[in-house]
Amino acid sequence: SAVISQKPSRDICQRGTSLTIQCQVDSQVTMMFWYRQQPGQSLTLIATANQGSEATYESGFVIDKFPISRPNLTFSTLTVSNMSPEDSSIYLCSVEGVGARREQYFGPGTRLTVT
Amino acid sequence: GQSLEQPSEVTAVEGAIVQINCTYQTSGFYGLSWYQQHDGGAPTFLSYNALDGLEETGRFSSFLSRSDSYGYLLLQELQMKDSASYFCAGIDTDKLIFGTGTRLQVFP
Repeated sequence: SAVISQKPSRDICQRGTSLTIQCQVDSQVTMMFWYRQQPGQSLTLIATANQGSEATYESGFVIDKFPISRPNLTFSTLTVSNMSPEDSSIYLCSVEGVGARREQYFGPGTRLTVT
Repeated sequence: GQSLEQPSEVTAVEGAIVQINCTYQTSGFYGLSWYQQHDGGAPTFLSYNALDGLEETGRFSSFLSRSDSYGYLLLQELQMKDSASYFCAGIDTDKLIFGTGTRLQVFP
């Protein structure tokens, strides 16, 4: 299993500003995933962060809006840039376990409100 | 594109059995997983089907039929604590694609 922490747990931000969310894992992992979950909705994958290479973004998400860093095998950051109220959401990071079950472990999430 | 559809809500009473279906359209998934998410919590893994058939884990079972692009999660002996959202997720190479989610409400 993997234990994941995220900072901050929640924040209220003004439109036009940026917020950087940190994700720390207690073990070394190759890939880290960033998701967005709007209230009452499913999880949408934003991007996959690999150490030593640029993140791979899903359709509808761009690097200028959601820059990602992956400086080592246990840490990643996601920045939500130039925020608008539509960015209000829960942002979760996750990692995949090493077993055959392809189990993903999730952080507790960051609840972002943009006013 | 890839999409996984689930019923939006299911209700049941304690002790009952409930089935949550998941139908998908995709060029090909490596397997189908199920996750549970309580309000305010993070998703947690429940089960995984790499092959067609039934996988049983305690009160929860999951089924996959690749030929029908269909799977389900079966919850038996329902308890109040099972009230949560449930998501199927297709495994696409190295990432998960989550279904639309089903909110299960268990009543006494």
